[in-house]
Amino acid sequence: DGGITQSPKYLFRKEGQNVTLSCEQNLNHDAMYWYRQDPGQGLRLIYYSQIVNDFQKGDIAEGYSVSREKKESFPLTVTSAQKNPTAFYLCASSKNRGSTEAFFGQGTRLTVV
Amino acid sequence: GENVEQHPSTLSVQEGDSAVIKCTYSDSASNYFPWYKQELGKGPQLIIDIRSNVGEKKDQRIAVTLNKTAKHFSLHITETQPEDSAVYFCAASRTGGGADGLTFGKGTHLIIQP
Repeated sequence: DGGITQSPKYLFRKEGQNVTLSCEQNLNHDAMYWYRQDPGQGLRLIYYSQIVNDFQKGDIAEGYSVSREKKESFPLTVTSAQKNPTAFYLCASSKNRGSTEAFFGQGTRLTVV
Repeated sequence: GENVEQHPSTLSVQEGDSAVIKCTYSDSASNYFPWYKQELGKGPQLIIDIRSNVGEKKDQRIAVTLNKTAKHFSLHITETQPEDSAVYFCAASRTGGGADGLTFGKGTHLIIQP
């Protein structure tokens, strides 16, 4: 089945630790995105990538880092510099940047204690 | 930048009745308006979208209307069913595509009462 997979579904980390969230897609999409979702809030863009080895900051990139070494993979690292990391993180992909439909993964709920 | 306001934050309707969710946007250059449905513990799914060159679009029980002059657009769900219960997000984009250009509303929790 084609789709976009995020893992793990739930993640717990101690404060001050870096943590990496996985996002893999087998849709052959060029563009991939990371969003953060907080209760009662819309989705806010963290980073996006239009093509392999290229990525751009979104609206709330501080405290996060990404890499795009392979077309199908776009991992997100939540660093210790992120002041409020507990949230629901969503990865998405689209055929290319001009495509209108974005396909979302199931999300990773990160809790920092 | 773009600002999208969505109302109401919670909407409870009887099964079989209609539900309407409204959004306003601030950037007159926005030209693409999708609606996403998010079920509990899952990622959002696109259910319908509309571009600024049309005023209405319908897909079975779901319709979206757009008023460019007033800068607002609405989602209409008729003959609601229990499986319509979810959080719905509107969004606006001036680029006409690409999830990086989307500004989302804060969501509406739709509850279908049996």
